[in-house]
Amino acid sequence: AQKVTQAQTEISVVEKEDVTLDCVYETRDTTYYLFWYKQPPSGELVFLIRRNSFDEQNEISGRYSWNFQKSTSSFNFTITASQVVDSAVYFCALSEARAAGNKLTFGGGTRVLVKP
Amino acid sequence: DVKVTQSSRYLVKRTGEKVFLECVQDMDHENMFWYRQDPGLGLRLIYFSYDVKMKEKGDIPEGYSVSREKKERFSLILESASTNQTSMYLCASSKKNRVANYGYTFGSGTRLTVV
Repeated sequence: AQKVTQAQTEISVVEKEDVTLDCVYETRDTTYYLFWYKQPPSGELVFLIRRNSFDEQNEISGRYSWNFQKSTSSFNFTITASQVVDSAVYFCALSEARAAGNKLTFGGGTRVLVKP
Repeated sequence: DVKVTQSSRYLVKRTGEKVFLECVQDMDHENMFWYRQDPGLGLRLIYFSYDVKMKEKGDIPEGYSVSREKKERFSLILESASTNQTSMYLCASSKKNRVANYGYTFGSGTRLTVV
């Protein structure tokens, strides 16, 4: 069965600090997809990134970067030079290729609070 | 702008009431999902549907049912609301894809309080 663990429930930083969110997953499938979503106070989850299991290249998008390591089953997310607008709940999610309906399994989420 | 629309943002219902949560998407997506979100537990899948009139149980279906009579609409039904169903309910949709998974588009959520 697939499982996603986000060990950090809440992280508080001061603006301009870097923050790294951990995500560890479990799956028996060799083909799977990993996602990060952001949930701002408005409530709607916003897609940030998707990564398939065959692509271990790290990715950078502006102040966001992702580190995918299959050897440790981790897909960590770093916000560089955090800003107040980064305050949100962030979810890591996993989908096995064989999952019916392409369903996602989510972690418990990490709340990030960026203080000015 | 593509959208998943949930009919109510906030809802207060009494214990024992039958509650309908509606979700409509305009993207012609085959797959639709209902999750509930609780602090520390993340999003847990209640039911999903991969086609009209088709439904599958998720991880926590007890106390819920669903209806999908049209492709664009997916309804979540609480047959007899209880206080432990107080939660944030999120609807999502995705395009059916046998080759890859491009994730979901989410609605804004319905915060349901059962008193």
